[in-house]
Amino acid sequence: EAGVAQSPRYKIIEKRQSVAFWCNPISGHATLYWYQQILGQGPKLLIQFQNNGVVDDSQLPKDRFSAERLKGVDSTLKIQPAKLEDSAVYLCASSLLAGARTDTQYFGPGTRLTVL
Amino acid sequence: AQSVAQPEDQVNVAEGNPLTVKCTYSVSGNPYLFWYVQYPNRGLQFLLKYITGDNLVKGSYGFEAEFNKSQTSFHLKKPSALVSDSALYFCAGLSGAGSYQLTFGKGTKLSVIP
Repeated sequence: EAGVAQSPRYKIIEKRQSVAFWCNPISGHATLYWYQQILGQGPKLLIQFQNNGVVDDSQLPKDRFSAERLKGVDSTLKIQPAKLEDSAVYLCASSLLAGARTDTQYFGPGTRLTVL
Repeated sequence: AQSVAQPEDQVNVAEGNPLTVKCTYSVSGNPYLFWYVQYPNRGLQFLLKYITGDNLVKGSYGFEAEFNKSQTSFHLKKPSALVSDSALYFCAGLSGAGSYQLTFGKGTKLSVIP
């Protein structure tokens, strides 16, 4: 079974530029998550989708971050404009069921963003 | 709300010795707890989870974790450490009743010394 795919793996941009990350979850997984992992910390949830609807975006900085999940499958996370403090690894995860709190989340390899 | 804590930034253990990576939790309601491992430049890999039932949970790669309600702990264990177990380990829990949000500890770096 293929895992969660993410691209690009690495991205370096200047502050105030825009950047987009792409995620393809495990086939058939209803729920998709985006996490931000700052160096030395555990991942922090940014947004959660069930199918193509947003369940939780309470920790998403909506003035600069946006995300969508096209047709309930792939997802993109965008930052516009980027700040220095956005330097982090952005992890995408998916889980099989919709509405199952204890369902296991499976993570992709992440995108390492460096903002200069 | 639920939070998890990993009191050790780093754990060193000799190859072949038993290992323990500690996690404590605070929660209102039933705790749902997870362990993940992260290798360099890779995403998190699921090891095991406690939802309900037996306090000893068995997971991937020979790892197990013991849920202890009285001590509010969920320590990760392995009887015999391998050099390949060297990685960053994260404990996580669901953030409160009805929440889907996983709250992660800050991670513990495990180094297995040959």
